[in-house]
Amino acid sequence: ETGVTQSPTHLIKTRGQQVTLRCSSQSGHNTVSWYQQALGQGPQFIFQYYREEENGRGNFPPRFSGLQFPNYSSELNVNALELDDSALYLCASSDPGTSTDTQYFGPGTRLTVL
Amino acid sequence: AQKITQTQPGMFVQEKEAVTLDCTYDTSDPSYGLFWYKQPSSGEMIFLIYQGSYDQQNATEGRYSLNFQKARKSANLVISASQLGDSAMYFCAMRGLSSNTGKLIFGQGTTLQVKP
Repeated sequence: ETGVTQSPTHLIKTRGQQVTLRCSSQSGHNTVSWYQQALGQGPQFIFQYYREEENGRGNFPPRFSGLQFPNYSSELNVNALELDDSALYLCASSDPGTSTDTQYFGPGTRLTVL
Repeated sequence: AQKITQTQPGMFVQEKEAVTLDCTYDTSDPSYGLFWYKQPSSGEMIFLIYQGSYDQQNATEGRYSLNFQKARKSANLVISASQLGDSAMYFCAMRGLSSNTGKLIFGQGTTLQVKP
């Protein structure tokens, strides 16, 4: 069973640029959630995708957008990057059909905005 | 509003001893799930254990157990027989089950260091 994978591992961008982060869900999972984790903090929910539709959004501006594809993989896009966007971005997949609907996380993408 | 509080920024434990990591929560949702995750320095968030709000028994998974006290709104993680590999950041998280967003609310985390 393949776990959650994310790419790239690390990324350096400059302020104002745009970035796309990618996530492949665990086999059998149809739901993907994205989180932002600033240094020394707990992860903050960005949004969730279920069967290619957005299914809940956290307190993030519209320049954070996403997609989910028919194979349940997902992208997180961030436009007009700001210095405060520097963080670890975590993707998690889950299966709402299970009793616990546990989210399983990937290794993360560390984004640095200069 | 939902909130998770972890009051211990850092903890030390001797190898082979047990340690308790504290977590209290606040929610108006009558049905919710509580999770603990481990985050090593590599960054990946590793699922450890789950407790549902209506579960009668405290959850256990190997060396991990959850001391769930619903009236006190606490869900402390107990790690028995600590190992050097247990050194990591530990996060308590909650999800309200009344909505379908799947949003996890995380605490600030506790750093655990296991001493040889």
